[in-house]
Amino acid sequence: GESVGLHLPTLSVQEGDNSIINCAYSNSASDYFIWYKQESGKGPQFIIDIRSNMDKRQGQRVTVLLNKTVKHLSLQIAATQPGDSAVYFCAETYNTDKLIFGTGTRLQVFP
Amino acid sequence: GAGVSQSPRYKVTKRGQDVALRCDPISGHVSLYWYRQALGQGPEFLTYFNYEAQQDKSGLPNDRFSAERPEGSISTLTIQRTEQRDSAMYRCASSAGTGGYEQYFGPGTRLTVT
Repeated sequence: GESVGLHLPTLSVQEGDNSIINCAYSNSASDYFIWYKQESGKGPQFIIDIRSNMDKRQGQRVTVLLNKTVKHLSLQIAATQPGDSAVYFCAETYNTDKLIFGTGTRLQVFP
Repeated sequence: GAGVSQSPRYKVTKRGQDVALRCDPISGHVSLYWYRQALGQGPEFLTYFNYEAQQDKSGLPNDRFSAERPEGSISTLTIQRTEQRDSAMYRCASSAGTGGYEQYFGPGTRLTVT
């Protein structure tokens, strides 16, 4: 399949550890943010979203934190598993459905 | 359908030829989006539709690119007089509504212009 993220920043973690993936977004007026996971040869897959009126949102094993002061978004994955290995993208949008994707981060999980 | 489908999955064409890429969104989804993704980068917005109306085409690179969704379901992205720089993965996504609804992505069409 197609390889995504040949030269992306890489985060390597051991299975069972927690992972934190960071993203700096560009538009201070952005009001909706999404994290996507992309496995090799596949399209991006929605993980979790957050609106600008929130600082934190939790899902199953994942938490998104939003710091509007410094335009920073993070994705925390608890008890990282081998199946979490992928490229992760943050995306932002402002009053529209046009998503602006950031630079991805490759997550590698070692047994 | 079960998910967003795109066809063809792979397309090799010669420079100067026209190509048409098809997207079949999830049944009932109101909005449909086209993105282009280069290797190692996130998807880049091209255009999107609500029902049959094209809402935003600001991401289309030039007038060789066009898209339509005549009946508010299937969409076609057409590239005329293809150039080598058009080579990329073209992805389609659909969502149930507008204003923060999750976008579901298709598997993409890998276009190679020789």
